[in-house]
Amino acid sequence: DARVTQTPRHKVTEMGQEVTMRCQPILGHNTVFWYRQTMMQGLELLAYFRNRAPLDDSGMPKDRFSAEMPDATLATLKIQPSEPRDSAVYFCASGLAGYQPQHFGDGTRLSIL
Amino acid sequence: DAKTTQPPSMDCAEGRAANLPCNHSTISGNEYVYWYRQIHSQGPQYIIHGLKNNETNEMASLIITEDRKSSTLILPHATLRDTAVYYCIIGYNKLIFGAGTRLAVHP
Repeated sequence: DARVTQTPRHKVTEMGQEVTMRCQPILGHNTVFWYRQTMMQGLELLAYFRNRAPLDDSGMPKDRFSAEMPDATLATLKIQPSEPRDSAVYFCASGLAGYQPQHFGDGTRLSIL
Repeated sequence: DAKTTQPPSMDCAEGRAANLPCNHSTISGNEYVYWYRQIHSQGPQYIIHGLKNNETNEMASLIITEDRKSSTLILPHATLRDTAVYYCIIGYNKLIFGAGTRLAVHP
């Protein structure tokens, strides 16, 4: 079965460091979503792209977070500088435009010390 | 904010059908009903979706009321591996997750 691949699976770093999370969407999918999950807030949509163009990043803290799609096979989410409150599991999902369902990766578990 | 209401938790005996309800009274004409589940700390897993007709696949059945204001996900023969948080979401493209229902399947 085709899968969304996220790397790294786990990341522990000190506050102030730059963090880059990567996502390889399912081949042929043209929409990519970034989510964050914490115990307090649940699953939150941070941003999504269609055909590599950002469509909505209203859920993302703009001052330290950035999301890009350098090409159709790679999406990145960067945090600079990182803070302890950014500790969470970050999920990437991909899908086709319209009503077709999204499919999620296994996430990046991020801990900022 | 999530636009659905689900019970926070449910129990089901192994081998029995699990019926998970969801209210979505504010659903609009082009919004679909999606169900996902999340097992422990894995990524959410797509289960099924529908617009107005009932749907069935190898995992589950989705029953949508005629007025589309509520739906039920049916797992026909629950197993211990079906223990998870189940999310009912309405939307089109952009999905907003709520708190879901924590389903516990017991022997």
